[in-house]
Amino acid sequence: GESVGLHLPTLSVQEGDNSIINCAYSNSASDYFIWYKQESGKGPQFIIDIRSNMDKRQGQRVTVLLNKTVKHLSLQIAATQPGDSAVYFCAERATSGTYKYIFGTGTRLKVLA
Amino acid sequence: GAVVSQHPSWVICKSGTSVKIECRSLDFQATTMFWYRQFPKQSLMLMATSNEGSKATYEQGVEKDKFLINHASLTLSTLTVTSAHPEDSSFYICSARDLQGFGYTFGSGTRLTVV
Repeated sequence: GESVGLHLPTLSVQEGDNSIINCAYSNSASDYFIWYKQESGKGPQFIIDIRSNMDKRQGQRVTVLLNKTVKHLSLQIAATQPGDSAVYFCAERATSGTYKYIFGTGTRLKVLA
Repeated sequence: GAVVSQHPSWVICKSGTSVKIECRSLDFQATTMFWYRQFPKQSLMLMATSNEGSKATYEQGVEKDKFLINHASLTLSTLTVTSAHPEDSSFYICSARDLQGFGYTFGSGTRLTVV
């Protein structure tokens, strides 16, 4: 296996504030990235994706930024809500055509009321 | 949207027994399914890639004889944990790629506890 994390870093954010979750990916050849949200005891849910030929993509309340120079992804959540509390993972598609995704270590987002 | 059903959601079994986990794509055909394992407070670790009608491709370090994968149809892949031991206790998650999309839909996961 790959990308096994030892523990999850935690980001605590006040309700209504913006959240920024960061992810460093490993393979400069990765051409597609996805952010997933995972609530306790459940499978990951798709949030937003971005291809390597883009540097920014916006969804509803979420924005993903891609910096290929430093192999860095970020997920911005606007006006964070209690329902956003979860673990967030980035995933990279390692090689075009194999469709195999490798997950980052994850970040736990805690929204404070 | 695409839905992947995973069953059972949790299972407790005795050491030495085998457990089968099913992953079904409900409203689409999945040529490729993936099996992940997740330990508490850790990320998802890819175990194997399952392709319909062919042998699964296992990641390095994953015992193929212990984790048997079958993908007999375009809507069903199964993972059988054989001769389970307590260290196999984990959260197992499948995902499926549909015929057209780039994204993946995940099942709800199976919590396996071996006692």
